[in-house]
Amino acid sequence: AQSVTQPDIHITVSEGASLELRCNYSYGATPYLFWYVQSPGQGLQLLLKYFSGDTLVQGIKGFEAEFKRSQSSFNLRKPSVHWSDAAEYFCAVGRDDKIIFGKGTRLHILP
Amino acid sequence: DTGVSQDPRHKITKRGQNVTFRCDPISEHNRLYWYRQTLGQGPEFLTYFQNEAQLEKSRLLSDRFSAERPKGSFSTLEIQRTEQGDSAMYLCASSLTGLIEAFFGQGTRLTVV
Repeated sequence: AQSVTQPDIHITVSEGASLELRCNYSYGATPYLFWYVQSPGQGLQLLLKYFSGDTLVQGIKGFEAEFKRSQSSFNLRKPSVHWSDAAEYFCAVGRDDKIIFGKGTRLHILP
Repeated sequence: DTGVSQDPRHKITKRGQNVTFRCDPISEHNRLYWYRQTLGQGPEFLTYFQNEAQLEKSRLLSDRFSAERPKGSFSTLEIQRTEQGDSAMYLCASSLTGLIEAFFGQGTRLTVV
């Protein structure tokens, strides 16, 4: 069974608009949760992580994510996107000593 | 320390040849992970080490694949008798014990022709 689901393969938003990328996970306990970003041909950069405590976590580059246990979700948000945010975004869970990734959402930015 | 480094960044090889990739983790990190990423997919776990011990191997890691971390520092991933299906980005990551945060290298892109 897939541990991480990112239902949107592609998302297109206009520069300056708000953004929300969806992520759902399936795991009995509250796992470690991550969002990574990958620019074309590059490795993965960690945007933010959630382990416990405050369910709204702040990350780099103005991103934030909210953990909702009742919905098994960990959605990524940004109030105003920039053209440089165009990339692929991966939600991931940490379980059994490794990180399991979703299939990613590719973000396109319209000028 | 400049982070996780991988070498080479790109490799083109003919089907049937052997290839070896190297990963140098962040120096104080005792865990090292290998992932494979194909086009349009998320990274898939292959194997990981704690120091020099290989603790887990995915069923994706066929008998043609072997990974080592002989002194608990750098690691190598070897693919023998490469196949076109091996074409992918191979990513290495390192972390401290406990999976608090994993740092990824820029990957090695393998193309098998």
